[in-house]
Order: sequence, then structure tokens, then C-alpha cells
Amino acid sequence: AQSVAQPEDQVNVAEGNPLTVKCTYSVSGNPYLFWYVQYPNRGLQFLLKYITGDNLVKGSYGFEAEFNKSQTSFHLKKPSALVSDSALYFCAVRTGYSSASKIIFGSGTRLSIRP
Amino acid sequence: GAVVSQHPSRVICKSGTSVKIECRSLDFQATTMFWYRQFPKQSLMLMATSNEGSKATYEQGVEKDKFLINHASLTLSTLTVTSAHPEDSSFYICSAREGPGLAGPEQYFGPGTRLTVT
Repeated sequence: AQSVAQPEDQVNVAEGNPLTVKCTYSVSGNPYLFWYVQYPNRGLQFLLKYITGDNLVKGSYGFEAEFNKSQTSFHLKKPSALVSDSALYFCAVRTGYSSASKIIFGSGTRLSIRP
Repeated sequence: GAVVSQHPSRVICKSGTSVKIECRSLDFQATTMFWYRQFPKQSLMLMATSNEGSKATYEQGVEKDKFLINHASLTLSTLTVTSAHPEDSSFYICSAREGPGLAGPEQYFGPGTRLTVT
């Protein structure tokens, strides 16, 4: 079965420092990976996705993610954190490419940026 | 990008009553819609997948008679929580996908509906 794991419930970073939110995946076949962000009492906002191609994917709000096949990881990164980046982040995997495929979410990581 | 709306954004209902949540794709036709449920400080759990004009496919452990899903048109899916109980209180998020494809179809998420059952 396809799945993603987010090993950290919470990540704390000082403003201006680089941040990393970890995600590892388990898929059969080629992975189709996503990062979403959720602000309190709000829906999900799409940040970026990886289908194929360059291992470094650039997304919204200055975020990027690095696909590492050998480590089965898809960590989210940002060079310089902002207080406004504080939110709940979800890694997700799509179970295939067909119309029957689904998006399955990781457990989420709460990112807290201190001023 | 494409927009998915949900109505209502918040609803409070009494135990034993039913409540309907609407999910609309505003500027595209959604061949497939998904319903997720999110408990406080937890992840999104997929409840069911619905395709326009056919019966929904429910995930294991989701009661199909309690959570009625109708996908009557390419722009509207509804989730009805029947005989709601306090344990049904949750944040319900719908998602809509355009037609088949590889780079597409993209999947877009609604803003969510907060259901509180008293």
C-alpha cells in the first residue's frame, strides 16, 4: 500500500533560519508526491508536487522539496523561515495516475516559527 | 487555479438530526470528488470517493448508511451525515478532481466545513 510518514509532530525554528520538514514515502512504482499547508480552521493549500524530472521541486511561498529516491524521502525546505510560515504541513502521496487513484496524507507536522 | 467551495462553512446541529454539506467545483467539471474527515490536530482521513452518476466508494470503516454521498452532477457532490451524534463532530473537507490524465488531473481542496453536534 502507498503511504507517507512524517516522523516529527512538531518542528520549531527561529525566524530567518532554514527549515526542514521531513517526509518519507513507501510506494510501489513511481511516486507522485505532494506537500500541502493548512492554517487554523482552513482548508488545504497546495505547495508543490513531484511527478518526475528534477529532484528539487520549487513551490509556493519560497518552499521547495527534494526528492531522494535512495532514501525514499521528500523533505520540505525553506532557506529562511518567516513567522507567517507557522502552520500545519502535510506530506501526501497519490496512489497512482488513473482516475481511480487517491491522495493519502501523512500525519502532519506542526511548524512553529519564533520571532 | 481551480476553486472548490463548500457550504456551509460551519454548522451546529442537534444530536439525532441530519445535516447536508455541499461541495462545488466552481470553474471546472469534477469527474471525481473525495470526502475527507479531520479530527482536531490530526491528519485528513479519506472517507469516500464519488464519481459523477455512480455510487460512492467508501473506505474501510466508514458507515455508508451514516454518511450518504451523492454526486449528481459534474460540479456538485453532497455529504449528508444522518442521525448525527457528538462523535460525528469534525472538520469535513471535500476535494474535486478534473478529468483523467497524467500531469492532470489536479486535485483541488475545499475550505472545509466544521460540524458540531450538540
